Amino acid sequence: DVKVTQSSRYLVKRTGEKVFLECVQDMDHENMFWYRQDPGLGLRLIYFSYDVKMKEKGDIPEGYSVSREKKERFSLILESASTNQTSMYLCASRLTGGGETQYFGPGTRLLVL
Amino acid sequence: GEDVEQSLFLSVREGDSSVINCTYTDSSSTYLYWYKQEPGAGLQLLTYIFSNMDMKQDQRLTVLLNKKDKHLSLRIADTQTGDSAIYFCAEMVGGYQKVTFGTGTKLQVIP
Repeated sequence: DVKVTQSSRYLVKRTGEKVFLECVQDMDHENMFWYRQDPGLGLRLIYFSYDVKMKEKGDIPEGYSVSREKKERFSLILESASTNQTSMYLCASRLTGGGETQYFGPGTRLLVL
Repeated sequence: GEDVEQSLFLSVREGDSSVINCTYTDSSSTYLYWYKQEPGAGLQLLTYIFSNMDMKQDQRLTVLLNKKDKHLSLRIADTQTGDSAIYFCAEMVGGYQKVTFGTGTKLQVIP
């Protein structure tokens, strides 16, 4: 049973703080993803990684960076949090191959004051 | 470019059928997915269909794909209160790892 865990369910930070969101998967998946989910906008891809130390920009990478030092862990970093980054952040992982599903973590709800 | 659209809300009575619709723009989509998100949880795959199929049935779920119109639908028969959730359609284009999600449809089931 695939498990994707995220370090926090809820997080409150102040504008300008550096924020780390951690995601860990236990199924040796090559691909990992970070999305943000906002009402009426669905899921938007921030960054993804298809291998250790590899990263690709998604649709909305501005204001974010990522780190993938180990296969099982994919971190999302907000260098200087802003109020417009208040959102639900979802991590997912996936095997390489056609049709393979993405497995999602429970999400981190981030509030930036 | 890729764009996946859904209506935002759907309300049905318990026991009725629900039909959630989705349109996409990229004709080279290879796989199309339906995910379910219950309150406070991440997304969970419900079903998926390969682009060379027209229909897929799985218990109470029926997926219909109209490639000509780039239209995907999810029918839930005998809708239950436990089906209340947000439903996302998503497409994978070609061999890329990237999956594009729709805006999500919030299904409300009235007892």
